[in-house]
Amino acid sequence: RKEVEQDPGPFNVPEGATVAFNCTYSNSASQSFFWYRQDCRKEPKLLMSVYSSGNEDGRFTAQLNRASQYISLLIRDSKLSDSATYLCVVNIVPDKLIFGTGTRLQVFP
Amino acid sequence: GAGVSQSPSNKVTEKGKDVELRCDPISGHTALYWYRQSLGQGLEFLIYFQGNSAPDKSGLPSDRFSAERTGGSVSTLTIQRTQQEDSAVYLCASSLSREEFFGPGTRLTVL
Repeated sequence: RKEVEQDPGPFNVPEGATVAFNCTYSNSASQSFFWYRQDCRKEPKLLMSVYSSGNEDGRFTAQLNRASQYISLLIRDSKLSDSATYLCVVNIVPDKLIFGTGTRLQVFP
Repeated sequence: GAGVSQSPSNKVTEKGKDVELRCDPISGHTALYWYRQSLGQGLEFLIYFQGNSAPDKSGLPSDRFSAERTGGSVSTLTIQRTQQEDSAVYLCASSLSREEFFGPGTRLTVL
């Protein structure tokens, strides 16, 4: 079983739609969780950290369920510029990040 | 300030040749990571350096791969006797706490 698993997609959604991605992780000792964004042929960049209580950054909401070992990312009011691959990332002690293979999102007009 | 830089940006080599890829991390970042990403695939962890500790080499796919980090700064990833399956984008990242900052990558093509 992979340490971090994501649905590869693609998720094709119209502008304005709400879309959610889930990610599961296998190591219960994982301590920190992140979502990274990777544009086509570009390097990954941090989108947001994921906190136990859930957190929001504008149109983006991240949630963590430790009991079920999954993380989610919700994007509201999708924009064309949101089209990218979203990478779920888990931090395993000591400070080793494990990346999922990513979920591809395509927002169309 | 400057971000993570990598060189060369593109490298085409013949099967069997050795290649060296360079990474200049952000100044002051103690952790440095190498990843490999094949076309349409996720990031594959290769090696991790943290300060003066022994590197975590658990992701290196074979003994043809090695990496060094000199003076806690610049790192070089060396691939000996390259094979076609080594073709990928090699990404370097550095961090001070938990956020990793990635370089633009080196696209390696083995003919």
